[in-house]
Amino acid sequence: GAGVSQTPSNKVTEKGKYVELRCDPISGHTALYWYRQSLGQGPEFLIYFQGTGAADDSGLPNDRFFAVRPEGSVSTLKIQRTERGDSAVYLCASSLAGDREDGYTFGSGTRLTVV
Amino acid sequence: AQSVTQLGSHVSVSEGALVLLRCNYSSSVPPYLFWYVQYPNQGLQLLLKYTTGATLVKGINGFEAEFKKSETSFHLTKPSAHMSDAAEYFCAVSGSSTGRRALTFGSGTRLQVQP
Repeated sequence: GAGVSQTPSNKVTEKGKYVELRCDPISGHTALYWYRQSLGQGPEFLIYFQGTGAADDSGLPNDRFFAVRPEGSVSTLKIQRTERGDSAVYLCASSLAGDREDGYTFGSGTRLTVV
Repeated sequence: AQSVTQLGSHVSVSEGALVLLRCNYSSSVPPYLFWYVQYPNQGLQLLLKYTTGATLVKGINGFEAEFKKSETSFHLTKPSAHMSDAAEYFCAVSGSSTGRRALTFGSGTRLQVQP
């Protein structure tokens, strides 16, 4: 696609529920990143994929968070047993090869609200 | 470890005035530095980046930034502010001794432009 697409744009869920957030990167981009942005803060790194594999998942806060990218394109961020503290905007970004000097293209994000 | 400090969470300027947004970083390896802009309810857009070579880099919308190694700074400037520049601006650094690809973002500076 022309840009990075994230769905849904907004998600409200009850505490304890399971949610999935989807990211469709730019076609041909091998690197895909997930970030979380809390109110008034900069984006915080969660996980980085190079192709199908998670090259760096050091930013995932705990084992309730998991992400997959089975075919090296679309990625899904999965959050189990959601907590109110998980409320944030979840941003996905992609880059051509994942080189350090690459700039990312970000999606518009999914605003997750846990009530 | 790397970090980014953006001095001033809010900056207000008059239309036509100079814009100066400050960014200081720390990095254990030569950094790659980025400025992103975020408009309301949108993803982040790359303004400019420094990787190697010329320390004064020019970006989109008339913005530029200068990498000063001795001051560990990468301040963003624009000679004349326009109303459309009102947005949140994020400085980010890439680079670590482990070759980590993820960006570390500052907490952002909200720019207001007064008519």
